[in-house]
Parts: sequence; C-alpha cells; structure tokens
Amino acid sequence: DTEVTQTPKHLVMGMTNKKSLKCEQHMGHRAMYWYKQKAKKPPELMFVYSYEKLSINESVPSRFSPECPNSSLLNLHLHALQPEDSALYLCASSQNHDRGEGYTFGSGTRLTVV
Amino acid sequence: GDSVTQMEGPVTLSEEAFLTINCTYTATGYPSLFWYVQYPGEGLQLLLKATKADDKGSNKGFEATYRKETTSFHLEKGSVQVSDSAVYFCALRSGGGNKLTFGTGTQLKVEL
Repeated sequence: DTEVTQTPKHLVMGMTNKKSLKCEQHMGHRAMYWYKQKAKKPPELMFVYSYEKLSINESVPSRFSPECPNSSLLNLHLHALQPEDSALYLCASSQNHDRGEGYTFGSGTRLTVV
Repeated sequence: GDSVTQMEGPVTLSEEAFLTINCTYTATGYPSLFWYVQYPGEGLQLLLKATKADDKGSNKGFEATYRKETTSFHLEKGSVQVSDSAVYFCALRSGGGNKLTFGTGTQLKVEL
C-alpha cells in the first residue's frame, strides 16, 4: 500500500459545528503532517507528528486540534471555524528524519465553512 | 532559513513544445530537492527527486538536475502534452528535520 487516504473528500460545516478530518497510511511512515492549501497557493504546514508525538505546531489557532491515535492514523478536529478557514486540507506522511525522502500526500479534504 | 523561488506562471505552451520551469533555492547544508505536481482538484504527487549535487531525477519524460554551483533544480520536458497541464511545485528538505519547504508553484497550461 503506497497511499495516504483522506476522508471525507468534501465537507461543508457551519461555524458552530464540530467535525473531524481523517487520514490513514500503511507505509510504515513515522512522520505525518497536516497542511492547509488555499487556491493558487503552495501548501502551508500546520502540524507535524513524529513517532505519534506532536513535534511542530506552526502557530495554528486552537480551533484546529490534531490527534495521532497510532502510527497509521492522523485526525484533525475542527471546532468553531471561520469562513476564511475554507481550504483544501492535505495530509502527508514520510520516513522520519530522512531528508532524502519526499512526502506522500493524500488527495485532500475540500472544506467549506459557511 | 530555507527558501525556494520558482518562476511566475501561468506558463502557456502548445502541445509538443519544450518546457522549462526554473527553480532556485537557498538552504543550509545539503538539501534534497523535489518536484511535485498537482492536477486540478487533487493532492500533490511526487514527480521526481534528487538527493545530491549532479544527481538527475527523471519521471514520465520530466527531468531535473541538482546544480549546487547555481543552487538550481530546473524542471524540463522535451515535448509536453495537454495532460501535463497542472501546477508544479519545487521543494526542498534539508538537514535531519521533517520540514518540506515549497516554492510558490507554477501553473502550466498546454493547448492543442
């Protein structure tokens, strides 16, 4: 299995809702990532998990809450989002601390906040 | 800090034309370099990579050579197809960290 699977593919939520994005990989990668991508922009790093522990938080607002239940799963819990949080949310994974390896990205969740 | 600079797009070419997308970088140490492609409505796919100076990455007719002397990793393809229309991102990963630094992306449009 060489894929990163993200669900759901599309999500519309109100500003008072609570929802979660899910990401799964079975490549044995021990680093997992959440990125946010706005239209016509490069992905922006949000969080990095290394060996299931949060290692980087790029000053992301607390309305985004990541969770890594095990080495294959990564969640992003969403609460009280704003319309400007509408974006494509990408999950990725990689070999940990191996600069020679690129990341494997999922196809993303297109989030719309109304 | 690390940074990647890509040529501004969009780049519009006719089918079978030669493609070059320029990429230069600034990094401490010896980074690995990558090109990613993003088709409309999809995530990013790794297109090719190079991990040391003078390495050439290649895939699907695309090539890029790691030039340490000019800190560049330009993407080339000899004959583009309509199906190559996408956004292309140059990226680097340096040191022992888990951080991928992206360029701003270059949109390629290939017309018949």
